Amino acid sequence: KAGVTQTPRYLIKTRGQQVTLSCSPISGHRSVSWYQQTPGQGLQFLFEYFSETQRNKGNFPGRFSGRQFSNSRSEMNVSTLELGDSALYLCASSLQGSGREQFFGPGTRLTVL
Amino acid sequence: AQKVTQAQTEISVVEKEDVTLDCVYETRDTTYYLFWYKQPPSGELVFLIRRNSFDEQNEISGRYSWNFQKSTSSFNFTITASQVVDSAVYFCALSSTSGTYKYIFGTGTRLKVLA
Repeated sequence: KAGVTQTPRYLIKTRGQQVTLSCSPISGHRSVSWYQQTPGQGLQFLFEYFSETQRNKGNFPGRFSGRQFSNSRSEMNVSTLELGDSALYLCASSLQGSGREQFFGPGTRLTVL
Repeated sequence: AQKVTQAQTEISVVEKEDVTLDCVYETRDTTYYLFWYKQPPSGELVFLIRRNSFDEQNEISGRYSWNFQKSTSSFNFTITASQVVDSAVYFCALSSTSGTYKYIFGTGTRLKVLA
């Protein structure tokens, strides 16, 4: 069974630009969560999608948004990039979400210059 | 509010030593789940174990064992006879099925196993 895939693996953007990250969950998994990982803040929850609906959202500004498609693939968008958005963005898929183990992708390393 | 505390930022041990990683959690929910994940240098988090709040049985899997104690709100992880390949950052996480569906991760403990 293929694991969670994330594209692209690396991105370099400049301040003010926007970026879209993609995540393909494990086949059959309906829940996709996104996390931001930085050395200073650790792993911070961004949002979770389940069956195309955002089920929960972390404490991030509205510049961070996401969506999930009918095939469970998910995208995350960050608009008006700031230097502080530089981080590893991790996607995790799960059969049902909360209460179940999550399977993580390799992440997308975003660098904002 | 939910919270996970991993007070040990970094631990170094010599190969074959036993090591325990501490995890203390806070939640008001009666039904919740606890997890441990490993993040090796390659970066991809790997699921290790899941425990629900009603199951306080300790678990052993090879060199790994977990001690869940509701009385002290702790879910500690012990590696017996550590190996260099155990070097990684280990995260403890808490999830609840009541209300919101957040996953709360601890800040992680970096384990260095020296040959």
